[in-house]
Amino acid sequence: NAGVTQTPKFQVLKTGQSMTLQCAQDMNHEYMSWYRQDPGMGLRLIHYSVGAGITDQGEVPNGYNVSRSTTEDFPLRLLSAAPSQTSVYFCASSYSSVGGETQYFGPGTRLLVL
Amino acid sequence: SQQGEEDPQALSIQEGENATMNCSYKTSINNLQWYRQNSGRGLVHLILIRSNEREKHSGRLRVTLDTSKKSSSLLITASRAADTASYFCARGSQGNLIFGKGTKLSVKP
Repeated sequence: NAGVTQTPKFQVLKTGQSMTLQCAQDMNHEYMSWYRQDPGMGLRLIHYSVGAGITDQGEVPNGYNVSRSTTEDFPLRLLSAAPSQTSVYFCASSYSSVGGETQYFGPGTRLLVL
Repeated sequence: SQQGEEDPQALSIQEGENATMNCSYKTSINNLQWYRQNSGRGLVHLILIRSNEREKHSGRLRVTLDTSKKSSSLLITASRAADTASYFCARGSQGNLIFGKGTKLSVKP
């Protein structure tokens, strides 16, 4: 059971380039989320999904696209990278549970946009 | 921003002392969670407290929740150097969680 996996671990992009951050989970979780973490800002939600084919925006969605064609995968796309998107990106998954759900986090992707 | 607020932002204590971190929020909740993050790593879930609970324990962790004051606290007793990490509170559901900015705890041996 690998849990939540993210690739790549580290990426350097030039302004204007595009890329996809991969996220996969093998726990059959319904919910998946993408966060970015900047120094002193905690985690901010970018996009999330409540199931295959369903996505919604979080607090900071601009500049990012997502899709969820399968339960397992939830890729995050940067169409035209900007220096402001330099951050650490975390993917998380969770399942529906009475009383509240626990999120399981991936190890993160460090992105530097020059 | 809907982020909750933890205080203090940073806390430095000696091994064996207790560490208390606080979290405040603005909207009503069904539950509140606490997570831990070691430097450069992903977050790990510590404990969840439901809105109808006032206190919950897990090992050396004690969490309290006061819904009338919209606040929660995390107490780590008999701290160890290995407890050095950042601690975050979070609220929400169905993948839509809002995290606070965190408390950075440093436990000196």
